[in-house]
Amino acid sequence: EAQVTQNPRYLITVTGKKLTVTCSQNMNHEYMSWYRQDPGLGLRQIYYSMNVEVTDKGDVPEGYKVSRKEKRNFPLILESPSPNQTSLYFCASSPSRVALVTDTQYFGPGTRLTVL
Amino acid sequence: KNQVEQSPQSLIILEGKNCTLQCNYTVSPFSNLRWYKQDTGRGPVSLTIMTFSENTKSNGRYTATLDADTKQSSLHITASQLSDSASYICVVSARKEYGNKLVFGAGTILRVKS
Repeated sequence: EAQVTQNPRYLITVTGKKLTVTCSQNMNHEYMSWYRQDPGLGLRQIYYSMNVEVTDKGDVPEGYKVSRKEKRNFPLILESPSPNQTSLYFCASSPSRVALVTDTQYFGPGTRLTVL
Repeated sequence: KNQVEQSPQSLIILEGKNCTLQCNYTVSPFSNLRWYKQDTGRGPVSLTIMTFSENTKSNGRYTATLDADTKQSSLHITASQLSDSASYICVVSARKEYGNKLVFGAGTILRVKS
């Protein structure tokens, strides 16, 4: 089954404790992206990757890191989490950013992160 | 500034009734407009995608319209079902040099009750 998976689905942590949220897709998509979703706000892009070893900042990259060593995986790293990073995080993928004109983005199930 | 505004913020309707959700945008240059359905606790799922030349697109009981001149779109849901309860997100794509930039609306929360 074609899908985007994220782990963990739920995470409660404390300020300053490094964490990684994993994202994996099995559709051989080139383009992957991380978003955060907060109440009353639309999804906001954190980082994206157009292909292996190619990553770039989105609209709200502060406090986050990513890597793209393999096509299928795109982990989101919070080196020193803070309470304002408490949010719902989504990973998404699509075949190609250039072809995003009518490409569908496939979203993962989300990771609910709470930073105390 | 590229923005997408959706109305209403939330809506409650009776099962079997129709409803229409609105989306106004200021995104430029326009590439396409999408409607997504997001069930509680899940990721968004695409309902429709419309390019500049399309002004209506249907997906079952969902019909999206686009007026590129007034920069407005609507999503009409016919004969609503309890399973239609979800957040509906309008996403407008701005054409960039190396692909597109997606701008997300905050969503309309729809609750269908029996």
